[in-house]
Amino acid sequence: AQSVTQLDSQVPVFEEAPVELRCNYSSSVSVYLFWYVQYPNQGLQLLLKYLSGSTLVESINGFEAEFNKSQTSFHLRKPSVHISDTAEYFCAVSESSNYKLTFGKGTLLTVNP
Amino acid sequence: DTEVTQTPKHLVMGMTNKKSLKCEQHMGHRAMYWYKQKAKKPPELMFVYSYEKLSINESVPSRFSPECPNSSLLNLHLHALQPEDSALYLCASSQTTQGASTDTQYFGPGTRLTVL
Repeated sequence: AQSVTQLDSQVPVFEEAPVELRCNYSSSVSVYLFWYVQYPNQGLQLLLKYLSGSTLVESINGFEAEFNKSQTSFHLRKPSVHISDTAEYFCAVSESSNYKLTFGKGTLLTVNP
Repeated sequence: DTEVTQTPKHLVMGMTNKKSLKCEQHMGHRAMYWYKQKAKKPPELMFVYSYEKLSINESVPSRFSPECPNSSLLNLHLHALQPEDSALYLCASSQTTQGASTDTQYFGPGTRLTVL
């Protein structure tokens, strides 16, 4: 069965600083990896996803994530964060053999002025 | 239009009440989902509908009863709930059916349910 570990439950940073949110997964088959963001009192929005091909994927708002098969990781990075990036970030995995999306416990990113 | 709408936004109900949550999408998606999210926790899958048929029930208690009247609508009927059922209930949809594990799921804003 697949599982996802987000090592940091909270990450506080200052505005314009770089940030990395860590995600590790466990699966015995091929996986697809997703990062979703949840702003306060809202539903989840897809930030980016890795299905195949280039291991580096980017979002339209400056986030990027790199799929590392040997380390079973899919860490999310942004070189310079904004106050508006404050949100809960969920890493999720689905396996090629089933429909189910398994979420990590989430990382609360708080960007301070 | 990539929007999933949910009504109501907030719902307070007693343990003897019967209420319903509604979800709607007009993206032509054929898979729809109900998730439950407790505070500071990830979403937990409850049900999956595929082509208007219930395909997955993640061992959800019978006090939660899903219904898919047509390809755009998904309801969740609630009866005799417990206080521990208080949570944010999220609806999602995706283009294809179960097994298409590469699909993006589009989430609604959720209904915040409080059971007294």
